Amino acid sequence: DSGVTQTPKHLITATGQRVTLRCSPRSGDLSVYWYQQSLDQGLQFLIQYYNGEERAKGNILERFSAQQFPDLHSELNLSSLELGDSALYFCASSPRGTQNEKLFFGSGTQLSVL
Amino acid sequence: GESVGLHLPTLSVQEGDNSIINCAYSNSASDYFIWYKQESGKGPQFIIDIRSNMDKRQGQRVTVLLNKTVKHLSLQIAATQPGDSAVYFCAEKAATGRRALTFGSGTRLQVQP
Repeated sequence: DSGVTQTPKHLITATGQRVTLRCSPRSGDLSVYWYQQSLDQGLQFLIQYYNGEERAKGNILERFSAQQFPDLHSELNLSSLELGDSALYFCASSPRGTQNEKLFFGSGTQLSVL
Repeated sequence: GESVGLHLPTLSVQEGDNSIINCAYSNSASDYFIWYKQESGKGPQFIIDIRSNMDKRQGQRVTVLLNKTVKHLSLQIAATQPGDSAVYFCAEKAATGRRALTFGSGTRLQVQP
């Protein structure tokens, strides 16, 4: 168990809908990262937050947004869902410090858009 | 559900043999490298990491080798066990900027009993 908690584990929805994925980082970790793992693209970095502020942005679509709350949990919001958004979405957190490269991943949320 | 359904390169080894998984990277500014193991239905799990000021690092049954000249990273697993069957990803990060870890496409390791 990595200590990173993601809910829900599975999510089935329809095209055009909006969903929210939730992540609780490991106790004490300030950074939260979101990754998307799809069948044809591997693990793609979406966005990073550090202590409530956006730190880095990757290949995140404009239909997607995220935030990190004062208690450090994070939510990833996916809207106007398309079939191609079906994927595993992982949250990861990293320890305090300036060189917080090692990421600890949650078990992911499997999103199926029908 | 199944965590990875990619058309991944597959390495098949016999139980007890040593495994070598290779990874090429392209960013010459990368100075931190890490290997993850992903089992079906789970998130990536840290195995071992290495910084660019080293060319070899050993852990328990695993060794990572870094060749910066040819931008190549390898993971060696000694005495491979059925529990090692998984998809293995390398990832890298540059020293400057705010890039997060960038992952390679992965290699599936199948251990035959």
